[in-house]
Amino acid sequence: SAVISQKPSRDICQRGTSLTIQCQVDSQVTMMFWYRQQPGQSLTLIATANQGSEATYESGFVIDKFPISRPNLTFSTLTVSNMSPEDSSIYLCSVGDRGFNEAFFGQGTRLTVV
Amino acid sequence: AQSVTQLDSQVPVFEEAPVELRCNYSSSVSVYLFWYVQYPNQGLQLLLKYLSGSTLVKGINGFEAEFNKSQTSFHLRKPSVHISDTAEYFCAVSPRSGGYNKLIFGAGTRLAVHP
Repeated sequence: SAVISQKPSRDICQRGTSLTIQCQVDSQVTMMFWYRQQPGQSLTLIATANQGSEATYESGFVIDKFPISRPNLTFSTLTVSNMSPEDSSIYLCSVGDRGFNEAFFGQGTRLTVV
Repeated sequence: AQSVTQLDSQVPVFEEAPVELRCNYSSSVSVYLFWYVQYPNQGLQLLLKYLSGSTLVKGINGFEAEFNKSQTSFHLRKPSVHISDTAEYFCAVSPRSGGYNKLIFGAGTRLAVHP
């Protein structure tokens, strides 16, 4: 299994600013995933973060808006850039490796943009 | 590509009644299947998963689900619900090959248990 710590747990930000969300895992994992959950909606995959390579973004998400870093096998960051109220969501980090039979999730970061 | 359809956005039910939350999926490859629960203002918790073997899967909190390959369904059931089961339930799939548990979620079903 894996234990994931996400920081911050919540934040209120001004439009036009950026927020970086951190995700720390208690074991080394190959893949880390970032999801967005808009208010009252389901989870949508933003991107897959591999260590040592560029993140792979899903349709509708771009690197300029959601830059991701993956400096090692236990850590990743997601930045939400030039925020607007439409970015108000819960952002969740997830991990799931070949040896795991399930994905594990952090508690999420609740972002409100005003 | 994969997609997941949860047929009911909301399911109201009385306490101690049985409940079924429906999930259908579409995929061009074999998938693993999951049900997650999200309690208000909390993260996601795995209820149960189907990887292989018996098509009837038992999970936590008395929930079970049955995988039906011909109907591409994975419905979640509980014979008697409690007030504490009030939550959002998400069905999800992950490609078996190279998926690394990359999940595609359904829209969610809000279960509301009334006294």
